[in-house]
Amino acid sequence: AQSVTQLDSQVPVFEEAPVELRCNYSSSVSVYLFWYVQYPNQGLQLLLKYLSGSTLVKGINGFEAEFNKSQTSFHLRKPSVHISDTAEYFCAVLKTSYDKVIFGPGTSLSVIP
Amino acid sequence: DAGITQSPRHKVTETGTPVTLRCHQTENHRYMYWYRQDPGHGLRLIHYSYGVKDTDKGEVSDGYSVSRSKTEDFLLTLESATSSQTSVYFCAISESTRARSEQYFGPGTRLTVT
Repeated sequence: AQSVTQLDSQVPVFEEAPVELRCNYSSSVSVYLFWYVQYPNQGLQLLLKYLSGSTLVKGINGFEAEFNKSQTSFHLRKPSVHISDTAEYFCAVLKTSYDKVIFGPGTSLSVIP
Repeated sequence: DAGITQSPRHKVTETGTPVTLRCHQTENHRYMYWYRQDPGHGLRLIHYSYGVKDTDKGEVSDGYSVSRSKTEDFLLTLESATSSQTSVYFCAISESTRARSEQYFGPGTRLTVT
């Protein structure tokens, strides 16, 4: 069965420091990969996605993620976080032969002033 | 923002009572989804629809039913609510199921079953 693991349930980080949110998935077939962000009391919105091509993907708000096929990972990074980045971040996977997105359990990012 | 509304936004109900949640879209997207969000589980798909009157089960469909009589509305019904169905419910829409078609999420409905 396909699964998505986000190893860190909570990540506190000081403002202007770099951050990495980790995501690993299990799949023996090709996949598409996504990161979604959920601000407090809101729905999810797409941050970035990997479909094919360059393994480094840039998204909104200065975030980027790198697809590593050999390690089945898709870690999210930002070089300098802001208070406004405080939110829940979800990694998600879609098998290329499937039609339902599988979400990870989420990582709560707290930016400390 | 995509035009997706959910109603009600908050509801408290008693065990054993029926509950219907509504998702309404103004984007004319073909696909609509119902997810539930619980701590430690992320989002889990309950049911989805790929057209009017066309629906299918997701990974956690037991205890839930859905209906879609119009493109713009997707209803989620709990026939007899249980405390395990206390959760935040999100509706989402997309133009297609392929990866290039982004899913857009509604604001959520917080349901408490006492």
